[in-house]
Amino acid sequence: QLQLQESGPGLVKPSETLSLTCSVSGGSIKNINYYWGWIRQSPGKELEWIGSVYYSGSTNLKTSLKSRVSISVDTSKNHFSLNLNSVSASDTAIYYCARHRGYSGTPFDYWGQGILVTVSS
Amino acid sequence: DIQMTQSPSTLSASIGDRVTITCRASQTINNQLAWYQQKPGKAPKLLIYKASTLESGVPSRFSGSGSGTEFTLTISSLQPEDFATYYCQQCESYSTFGGGTKVEIK
Repeated sequence: QLQLQESGPGLVKPSETLSLTCSVSGGSIKNINYYWGWIRQSPGKELEWIGSVYYSGSTNLKTSLKSRVSISVDTSKNHFSLNLNSVSASDTAIYYCARHRGYSGTPFDYWGQGILVTVSS
Repeated sequence: DIQMTQSPSTLSASIGDRVTITCRASQTINNQLAWYQQKPGKAPKLLIYKASTLESGVPSRFSGSGSGTEFTLTISSLQPEDFATYYCQQCESYSTFGGGTKVEIK
């Protein structure tokens, strides 16, 4: 059974960089059939797609976040990572990693449990 | 970016009720529409993709329909475990989620 697990600091200071990792188990991130993505959910708010990555390193990023976001993949560790720089309080959210059902234009069928990241000094 | 508008934002219903949630896209997304169920403290769960295809393991009381810009999620007979928040997602151009519909006990 595929499992995804987010990890990283739960507290980040304003203007600093938020860095999270998604560890994948029960399947290979090098599977050519799937993209992998990051989604966040502000407290009590809707879901927001951040970006997605293929095992090759190719990425699709949300336009409004593109200047602050990078997503990378480490196939040797079977994980992918999110970096979001110059964070502010509005970046406080639960961050989820997930697997696309296929290419990047497909929905997410497996999700991590999510990690709450608070931006505060 | 494609905007997704869900209605209603909250819905009160009883066990056994037929429930319908609507999702409207700001431009045509063909049938690239998915529905998710989210319970408090949990990640979303995929219910339906390509507007009407039921994900494996999802009960048949859930169904989806629509094309172009208008889509609906229907629960034919509401069960206790169905009280949750439901989100639509367009996958035609990157990804955008709707604002959610909370299904509450009447």
